[in-house]
Amino acid sequence: SQTIHQWPATLVQPVGSPLSLECTVEGTSNPNLYWYRQAAGRGLQLLFYSVGIGQISSEVPQNLSASRPQDRQFILSSKKLLLSDSGFYLCAWSDQGNTDTQYFGPGTRLTVL
Amino acid sequence: QKEVEQNSGPLSVPEGAIASLNCTYSDRGSQSFFWYRQYSGKSPELIMFIYSNGDKEDGRFTAQLNKASQYVSLLIRDSQPSDSATYLCAVRGSARQLTFGSGTQLTVLP
Repeated sequence: SQTIHQWPATLVQPVGSPLSLECTVEGTSNPNLYWYRQAAGRGLQLLFYSVGIGQISSEVPQNLSASRPQDRQFILSSKKLLLSDSGFYLCAWSDQGNTDTQYFGPGTRLTVL
Repeated sequence: QKEVEQNSGPLSVPEGAIASLNCTYSDRGSQSFFWYRQYSGKSPELIMFIYSNGDKEDGRFTAQLNKASQYVSLLIRDSQPSDSATYLCAVRGSARQLTFGSGTQLTVLP
């Protein structure tokens, strides 16, 4: 069965510091991968998605970036965090053959102070 | 107009009752519809999906889709306190990405 991991689970960072969040998927090959952000009391906002290694599509212009160095690894980064970057960051995957159905990882709760 | 709208609630129902959660969407080209459950502090968990007009049942959950009215709902029969969570509606529209509603908070009272 498929498993999706995210780390760290929680993170507290000062404004202006860098960020690196990691997501890995097990038990599937060539998945579509997604990064979402959920602000407090809000819906999920799609940030990036990837259909393959090195292929990244950005949905929202911002100071975040994403990379996919390996088939089942997805990384979210920032060079300088803003207060508005605080939130719950969720990685999700879907099968190439059924891109609609997405499954979420446990998430990373980021607080920028 | 928001692309996917849900009543934010909170919605409270007594244990054993039917909980009805509603969602409307604006993109007439939408093809796939999903319901996720999210417990406080946790990530969303997929509970139902529906593609065709009508009802789809899975245990105590029934999803209902009416594309003409651009409306999708989730019914939870015999509600239990463990069903207390936020329920997110997600729609795959013409742009081929999922758009999520802001969620409805459900509380089932013992």
